Amino acid sequence: GIQVEQSPPDLILQEGANSTLRCNFSDSVNNLQWFHQNPWGQLINLFYIPSGTKQNGRLSATTVATERYSLLYISSSQTTDSGVYFCAVEGPKAAGNKLTFGGGTRVLVKP
Amino acid sequence: KAGVTQTPRYLIKTRGQQVTLSCSPISGHRSVSWYQQTPGQGLQFLFEYFSETQRNKGNFPGRFSGRQFSNSRSEMNVSTLELGDSALYLCASSTFADTQYFGPGTRLTVL
Repeated sequence: GIQVEQSPPDLILQEGANSTLRCNFSDSVNNLQWFHQNPWGQLINLFYIPSGTKQNGRLSATTVATERYSLLYISSSQTTDSGVYFCAVEGPKAAGNKLTFGGGTRVLVKP
Repeated sequence: KAGVTQTPRYLIKTRGQQVTLSCSPISGHRSVSWYQQTPGQGLQFLFEYFSETQRNKGNFPGRFSGRQFSNSRSEMNVSTLELGDSALYLCASSTFADTQYFGPGTRLTVL
């Protein structure tokens, strides 16, 4: 099946810093989503981005489908950005909804 | 619209028992997927139901089963619980092949 790798596994930031999280995947994808998992475990949708670039406030994401990677940018980080960020993809052979998740990037933003 | 809801939020069971978890999708969503999250294995896909039919299945033993009702609500059942079944169980809903929205999860502890 499709493989998803995220880097770095851990990231410590000072409040106000910018950062880039990376997601590499092993096959073409029909669906790619970025999530933020809050301390209570809920996965919060950030972006649905199988290709192209999107922005939402201080967050933006870019997926280069032909090169099989996606980037999540966090600008002017805040302590509330702490948590685990997951990239999840759905491969071309999936019939329906079946997300394969990366291992996540654990982000800690220090005040 | 109300989000995805899951009940119960927390559950403690003993080995050998069985458990049933419930998920109510976002109104109008016909696809419901289940995922298991553990510290060792990360987030793994269990199965997906669409219009009361199982459309996708992950690599889990037959002790894990599910069903979907005509109102799109879904239940998953785990029989003969093992210690390794302790996990956060997440449910997601979506339309045909689009953004998946996750519920808050059910945290299952097996003693």
